[in-house]
Amino acid sequence: GQNIDQPTEMTATEGAIVQINCTYQTSGFNGLFWYQQHAGEAPTFLSYNVLDGLEEKGRFSSFLSRSKGYSYLLLKELQMKDSASYLCAVRDSDYKLSFGAGTTVTVRA
Amino acid sequence: NAGVTQTPKFQVLKTGQSMTLQCAQDMNHEYMSWYRQDPGMGLRLIHYSVGAGITDQGEVPNGYNVSRSTTEDFPLRLLSAAPSQTSVYFCASSSGESGANVLTFGAGSRLTVL
Repeated sequence: GQNIDQPTEMTATEGAIVQINCTYQTSGFNGLFWYQQHAGEAPTFLSYNVLDGLEEKGRFSSFLSRSKGYSYLLLKELQMKDSASYLCAVRDSDYKLSFGAGTTVTVRA
Repeated sequence: NAGVTQTPKFQVLKTGQSMTLQCAQDMNHEYMSWYRQDPGMGLRLIHYSVGAGITDQGEVPNGYNVSRSTTEDFPLRLLSAAPSQTSVYFCASSSGESGANVLTFGAGSRLTVL
């Protein structure tokens, strides 16, 4: 099975940087995904890590350390539209995807 | 390109009633799945399929049935609805016959069981 932990809520100011941590325990690791979900909408894919290190995609970056069972999503130059839930998801060796409960980020002016 | 289409968007049922949530995708994805999303619990996998004719159980399969007669369609059936099945349901698909890759989600179906 999978155990995925991420903080419930975070608040930051427009223009700032926020880091959302995700720790996981899994019987077999085969990739980690981050999704964004605005209130009342479907999740949308943000990033994917399968090897250790940093993946950068515009204002968003994601980091993975497989030995520590740890990932983070870094949101830079925060905008009001970044207010959303951010879901960490881990794929196991059977290619099943399990999600954490999500971190709600509120961006304040 | 419609992506993943779910119907209905909203449904209210009485305890004991049955219904089917429809899911169709037009991306020729091999992998399809159903999740439910409850406050504070995240998305939980109900059933999934890696191709037509193949289905398997996820984390919370009890009370639900699925079938995959075509690549495009993956309906979720509630056999006898219970209040505990009140939730938002998402269908999601991806390429890859091994299992989940980058998922494309439908818009969701909000189900209330009274």
